[in-house]
Amino acid sequence: GENVEQHPSTLSVQEGDSAVIKCTYSDSASNYFPWYKQELGKGPQLIIDIRSNVGEKKDQRIAVTLNKTAKHFSLHITETQPEDSAVYFCAASIWGAQKLVFGQGTRLTINP
Amino acid sequence: DAGVIQSPRHEVTEMGQEVTLRCKPISGHNSLFWYRQTMMRGLELLIYFNNNVPIDDSGMPEDRFSAKMPNASFSTLKIQPSEPRDSAVYFCASRWDDAFGSGTRLTVV
Repeated sequence: GENVEQHPSTLSVQEGDSAVIKCTYSDSASNYFPWYKQELGKGPQLIIDIRSNVGEKKDQRIAVTLNKTAKHFSLHITETQPEDSAVYFCAASIWGAQKLVFGQGTRLTINP
Repeated sequence: DAGVIQSPRHEVTEMGQEVTLRCKPISGHNSLFWYRQTMMRGLELLIYFNNNVPIDDSGMPEDRFSAKMPNASFSTLKIQPSEPRDSAVYFCASRWDDAFGSGTRLTVV
């Protein structure tokens, strides 16, 4: 089955700097890669996703990149703000299969 | 839209007791997913329903766990008897990739 590895487990950056979180997956059939933000006491919130037919997707300060050959994908947050502090999860799936496999999460702290 | 509603938010129970977690999905969504989140194992899918029918329960850890969806607006996850290793945050979601509730933090002592 699918296995998703996420790094780093914790990340601390200065406000205004960029943050990058990386994930690798094992199943070459996976073609859908969502990212989630989880704030304290809340459920995961889908913030951006990418499908295997594109290599990059951007939404304001957030971007995701995908390298299908290497089976890895990354989340990039630019111009970080204190409200970006949260735990971020990557996941992998086959679109429509209705089963997500999550990475272990990255606790991101933005230092003012 | 109030989103996915879970109750209770926190539950503390003694080992051996029955625990029932509740979930109300977003109106109009025809799927419901139960997840468990722990530090050791992360987020794991336990079971999911489509149109109130259980489709895949391969993630349910043991026979002590059971889930039902009697109608489109309500689902329960039951643990009987509960054990300390069941302590976790349990989430339900009404889309396979989104629409998570705020979770129930279960502590079994």
